[in-house]
Amino acid sequence: DTGVSQNPRHKITKRGQNVTFRCDPISEHNRLYWYRQTLGQGPEFLTYFQNEAQLEKSRLLSDRFSAERPKGSFSTLEIQRTEQGDSAMYLCASSLVELRNTEAFFGQGTRLTVV
Amino acid sequence: LAKTTQPISMDSYEGQEVNITCSHNNIATNDYITWYQQFPSQGPRFIIQGYKTKVTNEVASLFIPADRKSSTLSLPRVSLSDTAVYYCLVGMNSGYSTLTFGKGTMLLVSP
Repeated sequence: DTGVSQNPRHKITKRGQNVTFRCDPISEHNRLYWYRQTLGQGPEFLTYFQNEAQLEKSRLLSDRFSAERPKGSFSTLEIQRTEQGDSAMYLCASSLVELRNTEAFFGQGTRLTVV
Repeated sequence: LAKTTQPISMDSYEGQEVNITCSHNNIATNDYITWYQQFPSQGPRFIIQGYKTKVTNEVASLFIPADRKSSTLSLPRVSLSDTAVYYCLVGMNSGYSTLTFGKGTMLLVSP
């Protein structure tokens, strides 16, 4: 499977715990995005990377959230001191911006439930 | 960012053609129009993208009038598996920019 891979698919955690999600983009894609989606809403942008550089962060990304993309390959999204409001689907997408007409490919997401 | 307006939901039957219209009155000159499809518990999937006139691929057609203030996604002969949420997005080429999703249109296809 050469698509965007996200792990784990589901995560249940207790409030106050830290969680980390991983995204493996399509090989050679230089852009990687993180989105969050709650029930009944469309995905909301959180942050994106161009290679290993984090170029933009949404105001939705509080200081409890941190994302990394070491060596411009896979990425991790960590949430510290989780709150019930963090319960959502976390989606990763990747694209190759050198292509003239390119698109963003999404993974299947990680569903986080904070209890 | 250009705001989009699309119906919250639509119903159809198998074999029918479905047209979902999206309004984007303040679309910018450099903006593209992109449609994504999303099934429950899955990430959105790119369907089609266009800038003007008509674009067709193996899945759908996208009609864009000359003023580009609206667009119509056309799904020919839908099947039950086309039941999903369809999002209309306006902005830079979808691979270059962050995407701004609205609530989308929930399409329900019945037998």
